[in-house]
Amino acid sequence: AQSVTQPDIHITVSEGASLELRCNYSYGATPYLFWYVQSPGQGLQLLLKYFSGDTLVQGIKGFEAEFKRSQSSFNLRKPSVHWSDAAEYFCAVGHTGGGNKLTFGTGTQLKVEL
Amino acid sequence: ETGVTQSPTHLIKTRGQQVTLRCSSQSGHNTVSWYQQALGQGPQFIFQYYREEENGRGNFPPRFSGLQFPNYSSELNVNALELDDSALYLCASSPRTSGDYYEQYFGPGTRLTVT
Repeated sequence: AQSVTQPDIHITVSEGASLELRCNYSYGATPYLFWYVQSPGQGLQLLLKYFSGDTLVQGIKGFEAEFKRSQSSFNLRKPSVHWSDAAEYFCAVGHTGGGNKLTFGTGTQLKVEL
Repeated sequence: ETGVTQSPTHLIKTRGQQVTLRCSSQSGHNTVSWYQQALGQGPQFIFQYYREEENGRGNFPPRFSGLQFPNYSSELNVNALELDDSALYLCASSPRTSGDYYEQYFGPGTRLTVT
């Protein structure tokens, strides 16, 4: 069965510092991978996605992620964090069996110190 | 272009009651999915509707049911509410037109509290 692991529940970084959020997935075929961001009390906003091709994908708000098949990872990065990036980040794997559903990780809460 | 909208924003119900949540999909999107997000957890897939038919279901009991209408809007119905049904319910739409997967666009959610 497909699963997503986000090993870091909370991460705190200083504004201007670099950021890397980890995501590992378990899926039997080529995965469709996503990162979403959720601000308090809000829905989910898509940051970026990987379907195929170039393993380094660029997203909105200056985020990027790298797909590494050998490590079953899809880590999210940002070179310089802004205070407005404080939110919860979810990694998800999409699959078409039984509907094109998303399986989410448990999320990483990002706090940004000024 | 109008995004995914959901109503109501918040809802308080008593255990044993029934509730209906509503979702309007993004323009041009014909597939609607529903997710339950308990506090501190990632969203869990409830079910998906495509062309007014259920097109996949997660591990939720039959008291969770849904509908999709010809205009692609959707309802989620939950009968015999339990305390554990308290959660944020998210609706997502996608422009699926074939077997390929498309990203899902989420609405702001409905916060359901069961007392």
